[in-house]
Amino acid sequence: DLQMTQSPSSLSASVGDRVTITCRASQGISTYLAWYQQKPGKVPKLLIHAASTLQSGVPSRFSGSGSGTDFTLTISSLQPEDVATYYCQKYNIAPTFGPGTKVDI
Amino acid sequence: EVQLVESGGGLVEPGGSLRLSCAASGFIFSSYSMNWVRQAPGKGPEWVSFISDTTRSIYYADSVKGRFTISRDNAKNSLYLQMDSLRDEDTAVYYCARSLPVNGIVFEYWGQGTLVTVSS
Repeated sequence: DLQMTQSPSSLSASVGDRVTITCRASQGISTYLAWYQQKPGKVPKLLIHAASTLQSGVPSRFSGSGSGTDFTLTISSLQPEDVATYYCQKYNIAPTFGPGTKVDI
Repeated sequence: EVQLVESGGGLVEPGGSLRLSCAASGFIFSSYSMNWVRQAPGKGPEWVSFISDTTRSIYYADSVKGRFTISRDNAKNSLYLQMDSLRDEDTAVYYCARSLPVNGIVFEYWGQGTLVTVSS
């Protein structure tokens, strides 16, 4: 079965820092990769699909890149409201989420 | 505004059954594929099942195949999940989620969820 991994599992950064989260698929998935943000006690929110397409209304400080097996989510300037757990999800066959990366300030 | 409101969760014993419902509003329900996604306490989300707009395509995660049944009533703008032979590991918040209209299954809008607890 195709597995998704994320690194790091957690990170702490300062306001204004550039933050990068990595997601890796055990097999190539082209660009069938989405990113979600889940704030504490809230419902997951779609940020990016097709590896790099920003969902409407999502701040431009969020960006995604990659294809095949290696993907990144970048927050160009971390804000207090970005404290959350971030999940990648492959969606070509049998949607599968990564284990998540918890971002703190 | 897209709204998805789940109901039907609760406490059930192992081996029991439960039926979840999701009431949709704010969009043309019959034009969108829908999903159930669950999240166990302290864990990440797990996709459970998908149903296309016309019900022509239905998929299940291996973990629930043969035990859960997804359905929809486009006239009532409603999505359902019949859960049978429930196990402890089915304990989770169950979310109704609308698919993004792309090739593949991406979860564009989520409801607030309904908690299912399987315990004796």
